[in-house]
Amino acid sequence: AQSVAQPEDQVNVAEGNPLTVKCTYSVSGNPYLFWYVQYPNRGLQFLLKYITGDNLVKGSYGFEAEFNKSQTSFHLKKPSALVSDSALYFCAVRGMDSSYKLIFGSGTRLLVRP
Amino acid sequence: DVKVTQSSRYLVKRTGEKVFLECVQDMDHENMFWYRQDPGLGLRLIYFSYDVKMKEKGDIPEGYSVSREKKERFSLILESASTNQTSMYLCASSTSTASHGTEAFFGQGTRLTVV
Repeated sequence: AQSVAQPEDQVNVAEGNPLTVKCTYSVSGNPYLFWYVQYPNRGLQFLLKYITGDNLVKGSYGFEAEFNKSQTSFHLKKPSALVSDSALYFCAVRGMDSSYKLIFGSGTRLLVRP
Repeated sequence: DVKVTQSSRYLVKRTGEKVFLECVQDMDHENMFWYRQDPGLGLRLIYFSYDVKMKEKGDIPEGYSVSREKKERFSLILESASTNQTSMYLCASSTSTASHGTEAFFGQGTRLTVV
C-alpha cells in the first residue's frame, strides 16, 4: 500500500536561515512525488513534483526538493526562509499503477520567525 | 489558470440533514477527487471519479456518496450528516494524460460544521 510520512508536526526556523521539511514514502515501483502548500483557510497550492530525471527538483517561490531513492525520501528545502513561507506543507505520492489516487502525508506546519 | 470552485466556503448544518457539496472545474479534467482534512490526519480521500458517471471509493467513503453527471462537476453528498463529519472538505481535479505525473489542482475548501 502507498503511504507518506511527515515525521515533524512543526518546523521552526529563523528568517534568512535554510529550511528543510521532511518526507518519506512507501510505494510499489517508482513514485511520483509532490509538495503542496496551504495558507490559512485556503485550498492546497502545488509547489513542485518529481517524475523522473534529475533528483533535485526546483519549484515555486524558491523551493526545491531532493529525491533520494535509497532512503525513499523527498525532503523540501529552501536556502533562505521568509516569514511569508509560514504555512502548512503537505507531501504526496502517487504510484505507477492504474490508479490516479494521490496519497497525502499528515502535514508539517512551518513557522518562520522574524 | 486552472480553476476549481467549491460552492460554499462555510456551511453549518444540523445532524441528520442531507448535505450537498458542489465542485466545478473549468479545465476539462477527467479526474476529480473529494478529500477531507482534519488536524493531524492530513488529507484523506473520500471518493474519486475518473470519468463521467464513474466513481471509486477512497479510504473513508462511509457516510458519503458522490455524483458526476457532467465532466466539470463532482458533488459530494452526506446522506445524513453527523457531528463526526465536521471537517474541511477539499475538491481537486487532474488530467489523465499518459503520465501519472500530473498534479492535482484544489478548490479553496468548504468548512462544514454539523451541529
